[in-house]
Formats: sequence, C-alpha cells, structure tokens
Amino acid sequence: DAGVTQSPTHLIKTRGQQVTLRCSPISGHKSVSWYQQVLGQGPQFIFQYYEKEERGRGNFPDRFSARQFPNYSSELNVNALLLGDSALYLCASSLAGGTGGETQYFGPGTRLLVL
Amino acid sequence: DQQVKQNSPSLSVQEGRISILNCDYTNSMFDYFLWYKKYPAEGPTFLISISSIKDKNEDGRFTVFLNKSAKHLSLHIVPSQPGDSAVYFCAVPNFGNEKLTFGTGTRLTIIP
Repeated sequence: DAGVTQSPTHLIKTRGQQVTLRCSPISGHKSVSWYQQVLGQGPQFIFQYYEKEERGRGNFPDRFSARQFPNYSSELNVNALLLGDSALYLCASSLAGGTGGETQYFGPGTRLLVL
Repeated sequence: DQQVKQNSPSLSVQEGRISILNCDYTNSMFDYFLWYKKYPAEGPTFLISISSIKDKNEDGRFTVFLNKSAKHLSLHIVPSQPGDSAVYFCAVPNFGNEKLTFGTGTRLTIIP
C-alpha cells in the first residue's frame, strides 16, 4: 500500500512568489494535516482538513491557505513568499479527525527554499 | 510558550547500551503522549505512545515512562542499535482536531 505522497520533493522560489504544494493521503484516510518544520525545530501545525472542511488552523498568517478535494488529496498554498517560509512542509493523514490518540502518518515532505 | 520541551538537542550512545530521551510538558490536561522518529529525507514515523492513565508502555526495545507529577516523559531504547540513529520528537495531540504539538527534537547518534 502506498503511503502519504507529496509533490514536489524540492522547490526553489524567490521572495514575493506564490507556491502550491500537494499531498495525497493514504487510501481510505479522510483527514489531512499540514505542518511546517524549520531547521532545528519540531513540526508546527498549519492546518487540518477532514471531509473537505477545515477543522483547525495554527498560528500562521493569511498568506497560508489550503483545501481538500473530493478524493481527499490536499493542496497548501503560500502567497507572497518570505525568506522565513523556507522550511520542510509535511503532510500527514489519518483515518478520521477528532481523535487525539489516532496515529498520523507523515509524508516525506516538500523542502521549500525561498531566495 | 512551548507546551512540549526537549532540552537535549543531541545524544550519543554506544551500541548495545541504553538510550534515554526526555521530554517535559506544561499542561497537566494532556491525556496522550506520542514519540515520533525521523530519518533525514523522510517524514516523522510514529514510534510509541502512552495514555495519561498509564505510567509505562512497552513495545519491544522501546519503553515510554510517564511521570505526571513531574510532567515528564522519557523514551528508553535498549539495546540501542545503529539503525536507531535519528531525530526523536515527543508530541501531544490537542483533542478535537488532531493538532499535534511537537517538541524541538533530540538527535540520537548510536556509536558502533
């Protein structure tokens, strides 16, 4: 069975540009979450989507947006990129939202570099 | 305000010995704790968890201990193997939306 997949694996952008990152969850999983991991830190929660509805949002500016499609895949968009947006962006999927102890399965991430 | 803290950024342990990774938390209402392991170029992988109603959970070479009065949990790996070299994160879920709050991680290096 395929795990969580993310594309692209690496990306280089310049300040002010916009970027779209993509995630496909494990088959049967309906919840997708996005995390940002900057160097030397743990992953920071950005969004969670469940059944195409936003379930939670972390402390990130409105430049960050996301959506989930009918097939449960998801996109993360970041507008007006800043140097500080350079990070590893992780997608995680799980069966259903709302259960604190449920295991989340992470993809390999998209490494974004903003110059 | 860090809700979950891992104060040791790195740890080196001889192969075959015990590795002990520590994590402190601030909110006594947390009811579930998880450990994730991360290799370079891969996403974090769930390792082991513990409910707040327990003080120990064991899975093979991995044991997690929870001390609620001290708001402290630890992960013990014994015996340590070279493949255990990775970054380890403790994490707590916020019940209701599956948000995971991670610590800053501890890089474990197993010396052959």
